[in-house]
Amino acid sequence: AQKITQTQPGMFVQEKEAVTLDCTYDTSDQSYGLFWYKQPSSGEMIFLIYQGSYDEQNATEGRYSLNFQKARKSANLVISASQLGDSAMYFCAMREAQAAGNKLTFGGGTRVLVKP
Amino acid sequence: DAGVTQSPTHLIKTRGQHVTLRCSPISGHKSVSWYQQVLGQGPQFIFQYYEKEERGRGNFPDRFSARQFPNYSSELNVNALLLGDSALYLCASSLLGGSGNTIYFGEGSWLTVV
Repeated sequence: AQKITQTQPGMFVQEKEAVTLDCTYDTSDQSYGLFWYKQPSSGEMIFLIYQGSYDEQNATEGRYSLNFQKARKSANLVISASQLGDSAMYFCAMREAQAAGNKLTFGGGTRVLVKP
Repeated sequence: DAGVTQSPTHLIKTRGQHVTLRCSPISGHKSVSWYQQVLGQGPQFIFQYYEKEERGRGNFPDRFSARQFPNYSSELNVNALLLGDSALYLCASSLLGGSGNTIYFGEGSWLTVV
């Protein structure tokens, strides 16, 4: 079974509007962390936001917020007030406590294109 | 402050050759991980090193090897290159080796095998 599932391969969003990127995960660990990264065409993987499994509050970082629903095993990323520079691939990733080392498991990504 | 730096940024190799990719973590970070990202897919974990010891290894053949130096920089080596090794190789660093640490990535090394 896929550990991280991103069901939206691509989406368009109008500039200045909000967009939600879906991510569901599968783990038997009680302790885990969820990450979102942005990858422009240059290739660099840019860290956006982190949510720990024991965090009671949803994580927020500027225009990014994470809608964490533990019982449903979902960790959706919300980008508010989209900008043209937000056009990129977005990856959801998970680190499980039982995984060896600092291993991240990534989803297949969602390509976002912001329209002016 | 400098982020994670990788070199070279782009390279082309011939099948059967060997390649060495280099990574310098963020200053103060002791953990370095390597990922392979094939076009159209998410990155796949190859190795993690912490305090110069291998702490994790992904499902990659023995042609892939890595090491970490006393200054915490790292090298990824791939022997007997195959066409399928063409990918973006990403290096990531974190402060410590375990959970609860944010993981930062470099810009990657684009490897093309012809």
